[in-house]
Amino acid sequence: AQSVTQLDSQVPVFEEAPVELRCNYSSSVSVYLFWYVQYPNQGLQLLLKYLSGSTLVESINGFEAEFNKSQTSFHLRKPSVHISDTAEYFCAVSLRDDKIIFGKGTRLHILP
Amino acid sequence: DVKVTQSSRYLVKRTGEKVFLECVQDMDHENMFWYRQDPGLGLRLIYFSYDVKMKEKGDIPEGYSVSREKKERFSLILESASTNQTSMYLCASSYSRGYGFNEQFFGPGTRLTVL
Repeated sequence: AQSVTQLDSQVPVFEEAPVELRCNYSSSVSVYLFWYVQYPNQGLQLLLKYLSGSTLVESINGFEAEFNKSQTSFHLRKPSVHISDTAEYFCAVSLRDDKIIFGKGTRLHILP
Repeated sequence: DVKVTQSSRYLVKRTGEKVFLECVQDMDHENMFWYRQDPGLGLRLIYFSYDVKMKEKGDIPEGYSVSREKKERFSLILESASTNQTSMYLCASSYSRGYGFNEQFFGPGTRLTVL
């Protein structure tokens, strides 16, 4: 069965410091991988996705994630965070039947 | 601009009441989903619909039912609300079944409190 593990429930980081949010998945078949972001009092929105091809994918606001098949990981990184990045981040795996399995989320706290 | 709307942002109901949560999407998506979101548990799928009048149970369907009479509208029904159904409810939609790589678009959520 497919599953997604986000290793940290909360990550505090100082403004302008780098950050990595960790995600591991398990699956016996090929999957599609996503990171969603939820800003305070809002629904989820797609941050980036890996479907195939280049293992490094980027978002428009400076985040990137790398698909590592051997380690079954899809960690999210940003070299320099801003206060506006305060949010909850969800790693997700999509299945062929169009359902998505979400991780439990990681709250990113930006410290001034 | 793509849009998923939910009928209420905040809702307070009493135990035993019948509760309707409405979701509407304007993207002509085939798939629609209802999730509940609880702290530390992430998102859990309640029900999924891949076509009008079609539905599938998700991971936690107990205590809930759904209705999809029109393609753009997907309703979640709590037949007799209980306090353990206090939660954030998120609706989502996506393109058609079988592709897998289509992202889901989410509404803003309804925070339901059952007293």
